[in-house]
Amino acid sequence: SQQGEEDPQALSIQEGENATMNCSYKTSINNLQWYRQNSGRGLVHLILIRSNEREKHSGRLRVTLDTSKKSSSLLITASRAADTASYFCATAEEGAQKLVFGQGTRLTINP
Amino acid sequence: DAGVIQSPRHEVTEMGQEVTLRCKPISGHNSLFWYRQTMMRGLELLIYFNNNVPIDDSGMPEDRFSAKMPNASFSTLKIQPSEPRDSAVYFCASSTSSGYAKNIQYFGAGTRLSVL
Repeated sequence: SQQGEEDPQALSIQEGENATMNCSYKTSINNLQWYRQNSGRGLVHLILIRSNEREKHSGRLRVTLDTSKKSSSLLITASRAADTASYFCATAEEGAQKLVFGQGTRLTINP
Repeated sequence: DAGVIQSPRHEVTEMGQEVTLRCKPISGHNSLFWYRQTMMRGLELLIYFNNNVPIDDSGMPEDRFSAKMPNASFSTLKIQPSEPRDSAVYFCASSTSSGYAKNIQYFGAGTRLSVL
């Protein structure tokens, strides 16, 4: 079963704009991760944020985590056509090896 | 490293036939996961192994599905008999259970299964 809920389900923006996706989850976690999936491909890991971290950056990606609200956001700055993909959040509970994935946000970048 | 390797990439079969999907995890990874992805249900975890031992198979839909991991470099997911509702993309992923990269999963390209 899916724990995470992502918002919005779909997002369409112009190239160069920033894209923000949100994820909510239900249980206590050890870490939260974001993955990207291009059409017809497997998921690719983007970034991991631990439960004791509040913000993390990687290139044009910025992730925030609010454990009190059980939510996270992924910001992609200066979007490019190549960022068109589905983005999934995934949570790992303390001591658990498996991840629980959200339903994903489908991001379309229009040239 | 070549990453997680899945075969075949595409499989078309008729209802009632046996289907075997194969996965080679990244060398040195000791956890392996099988997922199914459909438009209706999204990404579902079917089963995962740790050190070749099945840990959680609660996501396996029914007895028609079985998975094995005979050694650290090979796993199979078998559907017998197959049904049209099994049509989906099946992903294999692997990870290490220790160190900073713990919990980060590396996915294969998937097997697109069509059961007619």
